[in-house]
Amino acid sequence: DTAVSQTPKYLVTQMGNDKSIKCEQNLGHDTMYWYKQDSKKFLKIMFSYNNKELIINETVPNRFSPKSPDKAHLNLHINSLELGDSAVYFCASSPLWSGGRTGELFFGEGSRLTVL
Amino acid sequence: TQLLEQSPQFLSIQEGENLTVYCNSSSVFSSLQWYRQEPGEGPVLLVTVVTGGEVKKLKRLTFQFGDARKDSSLHITAAQTGDTGLYLCAPNTGNQFYFGTGTSLTVIP
Repeated sequence: DTAVSQTPKYLVTQMGNDKSIKCEQNLGHDTMYWYKQDSKKFLKIMFSYNNKELIINETVPNRFSPKSPDKAHLNLHINSLELGDSAVYFCASSPLWSGGRTGELFFGEGSRLTVL
Repeated sequence: TQLLEQSPQFLSIQEGENLTVYCNSSSVFSSLQWYRQEPGEGPVLLVTVVTGGEVKKLKRLTFQFGDARKDSSLHITAAQTGDTGLYLCAPNTGNQFYFGTGTSLTVIP
């Protein structure tokens, strides 16, 4: 079984459309993340949820809205897609951080979004 | 967001050569992780270094955490084509996982 799975793997769409990417983890982790990797391979954190609560919200346009229906799922909805949204989006999960404990990020395979 | 500079940005070497990549910051970290990302996949954890000056070995890979815990290096001995990928460092700051700028390594057969 895949530990962190994302769908779809590829998404090609027109500017102005709305799209969603889904993520599920079966590791029992409390924390999930969305990252964006641009064409220069820079991996930038967008959001982090801990047990369905938003704990990190980097400077991301409000066209991006994460939703966590339960702690095993974190979906990303994007409204009014723009050319600059083209990137690979990665979902990840990690165990709960507890003072001094060093967690590990487990990533999905990525969802490549192309906006035309 | 902390700035983590990795160098070099790109590296292309022949199989069998040795190489070192660096991760530098002006901030002090309690620990630091190294990940490798192969083409078409997500990053995978290689190692976590915790103590200043710590050296960890993973087969042909040697990781070092700086004495001041602001920087780290990764040395690969006798590189193989399977080492090709993007190497990313990430400091541990609670649950805020930020990544360095990355080093893209290509090992040519």
